[in-house]
Amino acid sequence: DAKTTQPTSMDCAEGRAANLPCNHSTISGNEYVYWYRQIHSQGPQYIIHGLKNNETNEMASLIITEDRKSSTLILPHATLRDTAVYYCIVRVRRDTGNQFYFGTGTSLTVIP
Amino acid sequence: GAVVSQHPSRVICKSGTSVKIECRSLDFQATTMFWYRQFPKQSLMLMATSNEGSKATYEQGVEKDKFLINHASLTLSTLTVTSAHPEDSSFYICSASGGREPQHFGDGTRLSIL
Repeated sequence: DAKTTQPTSMDCAEGRAANLPCNHSTISGNEYVYWYRQIHSQGPQYIIHGLKNNETNEMASLIITEDRKSSTLILPHATLRDTAVYYCIVRVRRDTGNQFYFGTGTSLTVIP
Repeated sequence: GAVVSQHPSRVICKSGTSVKIECRSLDFQATTMFWYRQFPKQSLMLMATSNEGSKATYEQGVEKDKFLINHASLTLSTLTVTSAHPEDSSFYICSASGGREPQHFGDGTRLSIL
């Protein structure tokens, strides 16, 4: 199973871009990269996902390297409400369905 | 966006009782539902995967007789913690996926066993 590694914690100034890196060097060709975030005592919230190409939505951008061994989640203008734990996940395809195995995540603190 | 509802949000009960947690997908058909457990300051740990109409598949180390999962319809899965003990106290979170939807998570159930 592909494993992800992320920095334990990061700080970002309010209004600046937050760039959260993730390594997934053992990813297979058909495995997607997903990003979720979890605010304290809530369930994880979907942010974005991708396979090969860079992706952008109203929340964030996802940059995946050409070799797919790493990716970066970009929050273009961080706000205080973006303070959360961000999880980079590789979706594993099993007979029972597509499963997520969560790593330790990055605790992002947005500073006023 | 897609919503997953989990109920109850918090439960406190005596040791030895059984507790049932419900997970509902509100606006899409969830062919697969997942149950996770999260201890304080730790990440989510996948407990089991359930597909509608079939038996759940449990991760290694998770007791299937302890954590009963039923996925009787495309919108509802339940997790029953049987004969709960203090060490079962945790934050239990469900998620659902179906069709082209990514996994959507409920807001979790905080279980405290006295």
